[in-house]
Amino acid sequence: KNQVEQSPQSLIILEGKNCTLQCNYTVSPFSNLRWYKQDTGRGPVSLTIMTFSENTKSNGRYTATLDADTKQSSLHITASQLSDSASYICVVTLTTDSWGKLQFGAGTQVVVTP
Amino acid sequence: SAVISQKPSRDICQRGTSLTIQCQVDSQVTMMFWYRQQPGQSLTLIATANQGSEATYESGFVIDKFPISRPNLTFSTLTVSNMSPEDSSIYLCSAGQGNQPQHFGDGTRLSIL
Repeated sequence: KNQVEQSPQSLIILEGKNCTLQCNYTVSPFSNLRWYKQDTGRGPVSLTIMTFSENTKSNGRYTATLDADTKQSSLHITASQLSDSASYICVVTLTTDSWGKLQFGAGTQVVVTP
Repeated sequence: SAVISQKPSRDICQRGTSLTIQCQVDSQVTMMFWYRQQPGQSLTLIATANQGSEATYESGFVIDKFPISRPNLTFSTLTVSNMSPEDSSIYLCSAGQGNQPQHFGDGTRLSIL
C-alpha cells in the first residue's frame, strides 16, 4: 500500500481560477515533504520542500502547507495559467537512511483550460 | 541546481535485447538514483548508485536485470537486460540527497516489442 496518497487523481480548472491539491501520508519517521511538478514528457521539477517544523512554503503562485500532526499537506495554485497543466507529485522523505529515501505519491493530473 | 541529461530520450527495442541508458550531471554529486515510472503511477526507485561502490537495489529489482555503473561523480548508466514487454516504461535518473531537492532528468521512454 502506498504510504503517500494524493487527491484528486485529476482535475480540470479554468484559466485564472485557484485550486488545491491534497496529500495524505503515513510515512514515518518523516524528514521532509516535497511537491514536484512534472510536465508531460519531462522529469519532475521541485516546487517546494518543507521540513516537519514548517507549516507553509511558497514558490510564486504555488503555496504548500503542511500539518505534521495530521500528516496532511496541500498545494494551492493561485490564478492558474495554461502552463500549470501538469502532474503534481507529493513526495515524502524517510529519515531511516542518511541519504533520505523518497516515497512518491501517484500524482494529481491538472488540466487548465482557456 | 544540477542539470541532468539522459539519453536516449526514447527507444523502441526488440524482446530479449538490452539497452543502456546514460545519465550525465553537470556537477559532481555523491548520490545518483534510478527510477521507473509507469503511466499514471508513482515513481519507483530501482537502485541507488554511489561512486566507487556497488549499487544498492530495492526490493523487486536485481543486478542481473538492471546492472548499473557509476564510474565517477558526474555519470551513471542503467542497463535494462533481456527486455520483455513488461519492461516498457519511463526510466528516470536523479541526483541529490538529504534535505536538498532531487533533480531529475527528463527520462527515457522505453517500448519493447
